[in-house]
Amino acid sequence: GAVVSQHPSRVICKSGTSVKIECRSLDFQATTMFWYRQFPKQSLMLMATSNEGSKATYEQGVEKDKFLINHASLTLSTLTVTSAHPEDSSFYICSASRVSGYTFGSGTRLTVV
Amino acid sequence: DAKTTQPTSMDCAEGRAANLPCNHSTISGNEYVYWYRQIHSQGPQYIIHGLKNNETNEMASLIITEDRKSSTLILPHATLRDTAVYYCIVMDSNYQLIWGAGTKLIIKP
Repeated sequence: GAVVSQHPSRVICKSGTSVKIECRSLDFQATTMFWYRQFPKQSLMLMATSNEGSKATYEQGVEKDKFLINHASLTLSTLTVTSAHPEDSSFYICSASRVSGYTFGSGTRLTVV
Repeated sequence: DAKTTQPTSMDCAEGRAANLPCNHSTISGNEYVYWYRQIHSQGPQYIIHGLKNNETNEMASLIITEDRKSSTLILPHATLRDTAVYYCIVMDSNYQLIWGAGTKLIIKP
């Protein structure tokens, strides 16, 4: 079945540094990937839609200069949290769309200290 | 805003059938109903989806009412590993999944 690999699963970084999260579709090509953020005991909130070869579309209230998305190939999308602050600590999840539905990565727990 | 409403939480005894309801009264004729679940600190896992006919797979059954305004996910023989938050989702017109709060299902021994 379709597999989406997300890396790293956990990361701790210092305030002010940047963190890159990778999302790979392992056995299919994903022209569209989605990035979500989930705070404790809350549902998933869509941050942005990433389209291969074009600029990402960000949801209202999500800072595009802070959350940089690159989707340079059909199997890889990256999310870079720039100048991270403690309030950026969250669970970040990527998803890839297919004709048959959506497959999710295993998530990245980001802790900014 | 989410187009679905679900109970906040439910309990079910291990080995029994777990029936999770979902209301989606504003669903459009060509919109599918998707069910995902999320075990703590993991990515969501696809369970099943349907349009208007009842569906069954190795994980669950999906019963959709004739007017399509509600559906029920059935886990036929719940195990402790089925404890998770279950999300009922109707895809929006941009083919995006809009997540509601889900139902926290607790399977008890």
